[in-house]
Amino acid sequence: DAGVTQSPTHLIKTRGQQVTLRCSPKSGHDTVSWYQQALGQGPQFIFQYYEEEERQRGNFPDRFSGHQFPNYSSELNVNALLLGDSALYLCASSLQGAFPPLHFGNGTRLTVT
Amino acid sequence: AQSVTQPDIHITVSEGASLELRCNYSYGATPYLFWYVQSPGQGLQLLLKYFSGDTLVQGIKGFEAEFKRSQSSFNLRKPSVHWSDAAEYFCAVGAPLGSARQLTFGSGTQLTVLP
Repeated sequence: DAGVTQSPTHLIKTRGQQVTLRCSPKSGHDTVSWYQQALGQGPQFIFQYYEEEERQRGNFPDRFSGHQFPNYSSELNVNALLLGDSALYLCASSLQGAFPPLHFGNGTRLTVT
Repeated sequence: AQSVTQPDIHITVSEGASLELRCNYSYGATPYLFWYVQSPGQGLQLLLKYFSGDTLVQGIKGFEAEFKRSQSSFNLRKPSVHWSDAAEYFCAVGAPLGSARQLTFGSGTQLTVLP
């Protein structure tokens, strides 16, 4: 049973560029959440997708957007990259509900130069 | 809004010694509380959670945590640490009231285990 898979594992971009990160949830899960983890910090919630809609959003600008597909996989898009966007981006899948257990992927390490 | 403080950035213990990692939260009511562990290059894994009921909760890998409302704390403990426990540990809080259902994480405690 495959867990949460994220691609790519590492990515280097230049300031001002755009990036797309991908996530496949654990089999049977229908909800995907994205977190940003800066170096030396805990994960910060970006947004959550369920039934192909953004259901909740953390304190992140509109440069951060996402999408969920009918097969429950998800993408995170970041436009106009800033140096401060350099971080580990974690995808977590779960079933819908009040604080179900989150299953995390290993993350995508984004470096913006 | 809820918040979490993990006062210890780095803790070093010897293998076989006991462990306690501190976590303090800020929230107006009883929150949902979690401990996650992150090994290098890995995502986070849930160790245990507290929603209600018995204030001492047992988790995986021999970990336990105790919810103390009077101290707004949810400290993680293990009686005897193994070398494989070396990792970063995150406390997180969720607010059961209102529409915001995301987790708020602390900044983590890095655990080093000496042989």
